[in-house]
Amino acid sequence: SYVLTQPPAVSVAPGETARITCEGNNIGDRPVHWCQQKPGQAPVLVIYYDGDRPSGIPERFSGSNSGNTATLTINRVEAGDEADYYCQVWARINGRPEAAFGGGTKLTVL
Amino acid sequence: QVQLVQSGAEVKKPGASVKVSCKASGYTFTRYYIHWVRRAPGQGLEWMGIIDPSGDNMSSAQKFQGRVTMTRDTSTSTVYMELSSLRSDDTAVYFCARGQSTSGTYYSGTFDYWGQGTLVTVSS
Repeated sequence: SYVLTQPPAVSVAPGETARITCEGNNIGDRPVHWCQQKPGQAPVLVIYYDGDRPSGIPERFSGSNSGNTATLTINRVEAGDEADYYCQVWARINGRPEAAFGGGTKLTVL
Repeated sequence: QVQLVQSGAEVKKPGASVKVSCKASGYTFTRYYIHWVRRAPGQGLEWMGIIDPSGDNMSSAQKFQGRVTMTRDTSTSTVYMELSSLRSDDTAVYFCARGQSTSGTYYSGTFDYWGQGTLVTVSS
């Protein structure tokens, strides 16, 4: 299986920058996508193909991917950004494609 | 606007089966793959599989092979996910999500629209 490792928790003060990492073997060789999930809600796509933003997602959200680490960066963090964040890639398990998610990172806005 | 509306919460006993529906609207149903993802309490997101609404083909994660069946009804733009031989650790919120266009491969891109989720509780 292809393992994606995220820090369980990240805490930042409002107005600061949050960086959430996603580590995987040569993850820079494959596209990485990020979604946000708030309690009791469905996930929302925030970054796709490493650094593209869907319409409606603020420019404060950006992404990068190189080597063994992909990073979701949230500038000027707001209280409303508090949520769980997941990275996602496609990987082959016994030759069959499967979507793999990181374990998730809980972003707390202090 | 694109919407995926799922069926309501279910309570099942161990060993039973559950069937969750996901009705799509706001786009051409057969043009996009539909995936199923679940989140168990205290756990992260877990991909279960996909169905191609244009041809009724499905593929599931190795973990769920033999236990999950996905079907679709093009007349109502609805996909169904049935999970059998339920165990307590199948208690989770189940989501359907729209994937890539069916003109390409399902194992690219990501999930741009999600259903609201269906809570399935497995308890004796």
